[in-house]
Amino acid sequence: EAGVAQSPRYKIIEKRQSVAFWCNPISGHATLYWYQQILGQGPKLLIQFQNNGVVDDSQLPKDRFSAERLKGVDSTLKIQPAKLEDSAVYLCASSPDRGSTEAFFGQGTRLTVV
Amino acid sequence: AQSVTQLDSHVSVSEGTPVLLRCNYSSSYSPSLFWYVQHPNKGLQLLLKYTSAATLVKGINGFEAEFKKSETSFHLTKPSAHMSDAAEYFCVVSDRGGSQGNLIFGKGTKLSVKP
Repeated sequence: EAGVAQSPRYKIIEKRQSVAFWCNPISGHATLYWYQQILGQGPKLLIQFQNNGVVDDSQLPKDRFSAERLKGVDSTLKIQPAKLEDSAVYLCASSPDRGSTEAFFGQGTRLTVV
Repeated sequence: AQSVTQLDSHVSVSEGTPVLLRCNYSSSYSPSLFWYVQHPNKGLQLLLKYTSAATLVKGINGFEAEFKKSETSFHLTKPSAHMSDAAEYFCVVSDRGGSQGNLIFGKGTKLSVKP
């Protein structure tokens, strides 16, 4: 079974530029998560989708971050404009459904904002 | 509200000695609890999970954890550390009784294993 795919693996941008990350979850998984992991910290949930609907985006900085999962399969996370403090690893995870007890994580995208 | 506290940011053990990584949780509902491991430049991997069945949970690579409701703890143990166990470990709580089921991570414990 293929795992959660993320791209790119690494990205370096200047502050005030925009960037987008892509995630393809495990086939058939209804729930998709985006997490932000700042160096030295645990992952923090940014947004959770159930199919193509948003379940929780309470911690998403909506003035600069946006995410979509239009067809209920793959998802994109965008930052516009980026700030230095956005430097982090962005992790995508999926699970079979919202009540499932396990999430499967991709390898993440390491973003460096200079 | 849910939360997780990992009591040690860094644990160092010698190879062949026991490992203890401590975790306390807070949850309004019946929690699911997990331990994930993250090796450098690798994705998060599930070690084990507790979902209201047996309180002693066995995971991969010889790790196990015991759910203690009275102490709100879910400590991770391994009888004998191996060099390959050196990594970052995250204790995670999920609110199964709530509507969202999202995962709340602790800050992580970095495990170092000395030869």
